[in-house]
Amino acid sequence: QQQVKQSPQSLIVQKGGISIINCAYENTAFDYFPWYQQFPGKGPALLIAIRPDVSEKKEGRFTISFNKSAKQFSLHIMDSQPGDSATYFCAASNTGSARQLTFGSGTQLTVLP
Amino acid sequence: DTAVSQTPKYLVTQMGNDKSIKCEQNLGHDTMYWYKQDSKKFLKIMFSYNNKELIINETVPNRFSPKSPDKAHLNLHINSLELGDSAVYFCASSHRTPNTEAFFGQGTRLTVV
Repeated sequence: QQQVKQSPQSLIVQKGGISIINCAYENTAFDYFPWYQQFPGKGPALLIAIRPDVSEKKEGRFTISFNKSAKQFSLHIMDSQPGDSATYFCAASNTGSARQLTFGSGTQLTVLP
Repeated sequence: DTAVSQTPKYLVTQMGNDKSIKCEQNLGHDTMYWYKQDSKKFLKIMFSYNNKELIINETVPNRFSPKSPDKAHLNLHINSLELGDSAVYFCASSHRTPNTEAFFGQGTRLTVV
């Protein structure tokens, strides 16, 4: 049973466009929702994270929108750049699971120059 | 300085062999993890461990065992390797306190032939 569902599987965006990746979760005990960015041959690296007591968090060109009632959250990348081309993972964890991250299935983002 | 380092980066071995992957973190974190990334890039927790508690994902075969000589190290030992064990294995670490970032190593690509 996949506890965090992520879509789309792949996304192609023109340079300067907006990239949007969506995730939905099932476990209402989750209390931490990070997004990780992974480049080929590298480990995932934290991009931005949100807690369920806020509905939006913005860091530079990256914004997380969070809808607690719908159990959904999304990543928006504004002014997408070719250097943003990577695999993006949403994730979730809760205090009771020793901070183990449950990951979504990943989105391969390609930003065309 | 590398925050979370794994060795080796690549490991090719025959079925039935026993192998270990080493992981060290210099971040002063109290919790370490092993994740498995399959060929479809899906990331799944295998273990989380601190000096008091080992949490094992129930889907992990008992051929896999974490070994921690001290707080900064969490090695992964695999017995009787099978073809299906081929994957990229990531070590990670974090503080146990809520809502803290997990830092990942660069991964070990294991190929069983």
